[in-house]
Amino acid sequence: NAGVTQTPKFQVLKTGQSMTLQCAQDMNHNSMYWYRQDPGMGLRLIYYSASEGTTDKGEVPNGYNVSRLNKREFSLRLESAAPSQTSVYFCASNAHRDSSVYGYTFGSGTRLTVV
Amino acid sequence: GQQLNQSPQSMFIQEGEDVSMNCTSSSIFNTWLWYKQDPGEGPVLLIALYKAGELTSNGRLTAQFGITRKDSFLNISASIPSDVGIYFCAGQGYGGSQGNLIFGKGTKLSVKP
Repeated sequence: NAGVTQTPKFQVLKTGQSMTLQCAQDMNHNSMYWYRQDPGMGLRLIYYSASEGTTDKGEVPNGYNVSRLNKREFSLRLESAAPSQTSVYFCASNAHRDSSVYGYTFGSGTRLTVV
Repeated sequence: GQQLNQSPQSMFIQEGEDVSMNCTSSSIFNTWLWYKQDPGEGPVLLIALYKAGELTSNGRLTAQFGITRKDSFLNISASIPSDVGIYFCAGQGYGGSQGNLIFGKGTKLSVKP
């Protein structure tokens, strides 16, 4: 049972390059989320998808776009990477729309460096 | 928006010692969750609390949902080296954030053998 799978695990980009972070879950969860983690800042929500076909902005959406490709997959795209986007990115999923019912299941993260 | 204050930010303790950390909110939460993040991994759910005053244990871990609904505590007894990591509290309040969880900034725990 893989849970939440993120690819790639590590990536180095040059300023201005674009890339897509991939996330897939095999738990038939409805809701999916993208967070970034920076030292001293905790986990900040970038975008989320409450269900297939819907996406919404979180706390820090600027510079990112997302696609909920199907129920399993939720991708995060950086169109023009900036050094401020150097971070660890986590994808998470939840079975229920009400986040409190089960809590989130997280992937193992993508460590992105923009130079 | 709603914010969580988690303290302490970091702890350096001796193996065998007990650990306490807490989270407070300026507004009422209806659910509190505690996560642990091992180095290089994503957070993993440890304990979930759903009722004010609730006290729940998971092995050496005990968490409580504060009576005021504005705070929660996590205690770890007899710490061991594998307790090292970052502990996050998370909560869901009423109404705001469209049901999404709000996370504290984490408590980084280091254990000296």
